[in-house]
Amino acid sequence: KAGVTQTPRYLIKTRGQQVTLSCSPISGHRSVSWYQQTPGQGLQFLFEYFSETQRNKGNFPGRFSGRQFSNSRSEMNVSTLELGDSALYLCASSLEGPAGAEAFFGQGTRLTVV
Amino acid sequence: AQSVTQLGSHVSVSEGALVLLRCNYSSSVPPYLFWYVQYPNQGLQLLLKYTSAATLVKGINGFEAEFKKSETSFHLTKPSAHMSDAAEYFCAVSVTGGGNKLTFGTGTQLKVEL
Repeated sequence: KAGVTQTPRYLIKTRGQQVTLSCSPISGHRSVSWYQQTPGQGLQFLFEYFSETQRNKGNFPGRFSGRQFSNSRSEMNVSTLELGDSALYLCASSLEGPAGAEAFFGQGTRLTVV
Repeated sequence: AQSVTQLGSHVSVSEGALVLLRCNYSSSVPPYLFWYVQYPNQGLQLLLKYTSAATLVKGINGFEAEFKKSETSFHLTKPSAHMSDAAEYFCAVSVTGGGNKLTFGTGTQLKVEL
């Protein structure tokens, strides 16, 4: 079965612009989480959506937002881009259930802010 | 809050030698622990996970890890390194009530030399 699909794979944006990243989870998975990966900060949790509701949120400013659709596909949006937002953004999908479920990761979207 | 510490940001071993990557966790409730591997420009792939069943967990590609509550450790080992094991390895923790949120360590870059 198909894995987690993230689009686009690469993106270059200018400071001050906004960007939307997309994630299609594995069929049947209702939980989608987003992570930011940078050399300096490592892997940091952004938020998790489950059945179209945000279930968890990390410590990121309000410029970072997300949503989940009824088919479990998710998008994340970053407004007013800053140079420091340059990162690999990873999406992960999981089955519903308690913690301990395996997270399946997409290949990520590499965002470069210039 | 839970956290993970990975000792050694870079580990180098000879092909055929033992691989030992260290992970210590901190959690006020019973944790779920994971090891993920990341190859360049790729997402993360699950190697193995501990979910309170057996304390010795076997994963893919010959890796295993032992959960030691007394030492709050979950070190990753492989008896004989292969060139294809060269990658970055991440230890992560989640807890019941935290949904599918993963808290990652800073990662260990494994180099395998001939």
